[in-house]
Amino acid sequence: QQQVKQSPQSLIVQKGGISIINCAYENTAFDYFPWYQQFPGKGPALLIAIRPDVSEKKEGRFTISFNKSAKQFSLHIMDSQPGDSATYFCAASNRSYKLIFGSGTRLLVRP
Amino acid sequence: DAGVIQSPRHEVTEMGQEVTLRCKPISGHNSLFWYRQTMMRGLELLIYFNNNVPIDDSGMPEDRFSAKMPNASFSTLKIQPSEPRDSAVYFCASSAVGEAFFGQGTRLTVV
Repeated sequence: QQQVKQSPQSLIVQKGGISIINCAYENTAFDYFPWYQQFPGKGPALLIAIRPDVSEKKEGRFTISFNKSAKQFSLHIMDSQPGDSATYFCAASNRSYKLIFGSGTRLLVRP
Repeated sequence: DAGVIQSPRHEVTEMGQEVTLRCKPISGHNSLFWYRQTMMRGLELLIYFNNNVPIDDSGMPEDRFSAKMPNASFSTLKIQPSEPRDSAVYFCASSAVGEAFFGQGTRLTVV
């Protein structure tokens, strides 16, 4: 029940396209859903996060869509750029702030 | 603030040796996490401290692993004795409210 399932494992998108990564969870006590971006040799860095009281959050080219009833959330990267090529992790936590990470999606944006 | 500081960045050690990884969290953060990242298992939470107290160590793989947080500005993760299967990148992260900030990680290689 603590798992966060992430798909796809890898994703190739052309420059300018939309990248979509999906995550699903089971624990209804989760109340914080961040997405992290990780470049090779670096630690994960927070990209965008959402709480379950809203269905969507947008920051620049990055949007989180959240479906509380389906217990799913997704990251959309609009106008994907080669510089977006990285590994993306979804995560979830409850009030204890213990983050449970998905398995990661390796995104490659082709020029 | 310099962010979460981990040392060393790289560690190569022989099987059976003791390894100590160090972490300085961001000042004012009251939660600290140790994660392990491998290709096979992704990001795994090893242990979580809140206000310097270990709250959840269920992710610590075995008794060879131990972690301490003697004060709010320092934590260690020790492996004794180390084994080749411990080879991974170990991340320390700290948080205040929700968002976790990761260090650059320590790449451990046990030969």
